[in-house]
Amino acid sequence: GAGVSQSPSNKVTEKGKDVELRCDPISGHTALYWYRQSLGQGLEFLIYFQGNSAPDKSGLPSDRFSAERTGGSVSTLTIQRTQQEDSAVYLCASSGWAADTQYFGPGTRLTVL
Amino acid sequence: AQTVTQSQPEMSVQEAETVTLSCTYDTSESDYYLFWYKQPPSRQMILVIRQEAYKQQNATENRFSVNFQKAAKSFSLKISDSQLGDAAMYFCAYRSEYRRDDKIIFGKGTRLHILP
Repeated sequence: GAGVSQSPSNKVTEKGKDVELRCDPISGHTALYWYRQSLGQGLEFLIYFQGNSAPDKSGLPSDRFSAERTGGSVSTLTIQRTQQEDSAVYLCASSGWAADTQYFGPGTRLTVL
Repeated sequence: AQTVTQSQPEMSVQEAETVTLSCTYDTSESDYYLFWYKQPPSRQMILVIRQEAYKQQNATENRFSVNFQKAAKSFSLKISDSQLGDAAMYFCAYRSEYRRDDKIIFGKGTRLHILP
């Protein structure tokens, strides 16, 4: 079946604007993850959903970041009042259950001017 | 807290040769999973190989194999018969069996160049 998809592929925004990033997991996958990859850095874990609930939101870098998942499927990551340091590639992954291998989407490259 | 270290930021290998990428990790846990992911310029993270810590046998996937040394906390990736398509960023990663948030902890990556 289809893999994890993310949209948009690229997003350029002005400092202070809000952005929404979308992740569509592999059909039937119950677990969904968001990571951030800054230039020259490894991947930083942001948040994990099991079904529609996120057991731990402490990985989100600030209160400008929020995420939700509805219907146990699509997830959106929202960044309010974007800052230049938010510029990064945001990767989404899903897995069949929490202990299973995570499969990644192609990411959204966010550029904040 | 667990950490993953990749000490080689970049490596090069001649096409058809064999190359080994190093990875060490630090954990006090006994049950965990280790992964190698490949990230080509397309940005897509692709799972290369997975190893369960309770398994003594090293995982293999075609031309890719690992050398898992649990006591030394070492998890290196060997790529045999290197191909141009193997050029990518390679990330070593760790996942706990116990963590509530189930996150993967990644190393900073090794960029692999394949020389024709």
